[in-house]
Amino acid sequence: NAGVTQTPKFQVLKTGQSMTLQCAQDMNHEYMSWYRQDPGMGLRLIHYSVGAGITDQGEVPNGYNVSRSTTEDFPLRLLSAAPSQTSVYFCASSYSATGPLHFGNGTRLTVT
Amino acid sequence: DQQVKQNSPSLSVQEGRISILNCDYTNSMFDYFLWYKKYPAEGPTFLISISSIKDKNEDGRFTVFLNKSAKHLSLHIVPSQPGDSAVYFCASMDTGRRALTFGSGTRLQVQP
Repeated sequence: NAGVTQTPKFQVLKTGQSMTLQCAQDMNHEYMSWYRQDPGMGLRLIHYSVGAGITDQGEVPNGYNVSRSTTEDFPLRLLSAAPSQTSVYFCASSYSATGPLHFGNGTRLTVT
Repeated sequence: DQQVKQNSPSLSVQEGRISILNCDYTNSMFDYFLWYKKYPAEGPTFLISISSIKDKNEDGRFTVFLNKSAKHLSLHIVPSQPGDSAVYFCASMDTGRRALTFGSGTRLQVQP
């Protein structure tokens, strides 16, 4: 049982480059979300999805896009990377929007 | 404007003693509260939760207390063990909006 799988674990980008952070879960969870963790700020919600085909913005959505074409996958796209997007990104899923979240192990992104 | 605050960035206790981690919130719409534990290079893992209709929830060595009038919750770990050394995040939810807000975390170190 893999749970929530995030790839890559580490990534370095130059300013202006684009990339996609991958997230997959095998628990048939309807709810999936992306958080970023920055020092002294806890985890902040970027985007979330309550089911395939449905996405919505969280607290800090600017500069990021998401889509949810299947229940299993919830990729996060950085359109034009900026140094302010240097962070650790966590994907999480849950059986419902109010259930406890299961987190992946994170992607550490550095934008130079 | 942090709606969930963990004012102690770190806490050190002796093995076998009680660890008390505190969390304050400002949003009166929050009605569900959770604690997560995070080890380095891993994602947060769910520990324990409490609904606003309760003032205490216990699970083994972990107890969460909620004081709604003071907008304060705490996590008690008794007895503390070295394996409890981790960062603990408090999280609060307005179940109507289905959005989870995290505190900035408290690093607990349990000394053998």
